[in-house]
Amino acid sequence: SYVLSQPPSVSVAPGKTARISCGGNNIGTKRVHWYQQKSGQAPVLVMYFDSDRPSGIPARFSGSNSGNTATLSIIRVEAGDEADYFCQVRDSDSGHPVFGGGTKLTVL
Amino acid sequence: EVQLLESGGGLVQPGGSLRLSCAASGFTFRSYVMSWVRQAPGKGLEWISGIRAGGDESYYADSVKGRFTISRDNSRDTLYLHMDSLRVDDTAAYYCAKMGDWDYNPHVNYWGRGILVTVSS
Repeated sequence: SYVLSQPPSVSVAPGKTARISCGGNNIGTKRVHWYQQKSGQAPVLVMYFDSDRPSGIPARFSGSNSGNTATLSIIRVEAGDEADYFCQVRDSDSGHPVFGGGTKLTVL
Repeated sequence: EVQLLESGGGLVQPGGSLRLSCAASGFTFRSYVMSWVRQAPGKGLEWISGIRAGGDESYYADSVKGRFTISRDNSRDTLYLHMDSLRVDDTAAYYCAKMGDWDYNPHVNYWGRGILVTVSS
């Protein structure tokens, strides 16, 4: 099955830019989706089809995807952005969704 | 407003059975593929099962195939997950999920709040 690799943790100071990576073999040929999960809450879709934002998600969030790495970027990071972030794609073999292991974003 | 409300979780012994329900509202339930996604304590997300809008096709992850059965009642706007032969490693929060673009780029548009299933003796 298709494997997605995320760094376990990323730390960033308030007001700076956070970049969360999601690695996979030729992931640039797939459409990547991103979810934010705050502590004790259900996940929320924050980016889909690589770079589309659902309504209600701030423009501070953006996404990109090329080669073997997709990236979720958050500019002007706020304390409220602290959460676990998961990337997800479609596994071509099974046709089913597959998730990355998640990255814990810590706002210093 | 889309709402997905899971129920039916709890403590069950290894080898036992449990049925989860998900009551949907705020959208045309019968028009959307639905899924169950689980999350073991302190772990990541795992998609485990999906079902087409009409209920005619269902899909399973290898980890639950043959033990879990997904179904839906479009007249009641309700999704179900029947879990048999439960194992300790099935312990997780189970999320009901409304899916988008299932055939090409499946993703979860909306998540339920989740329900905890604990398998322990």
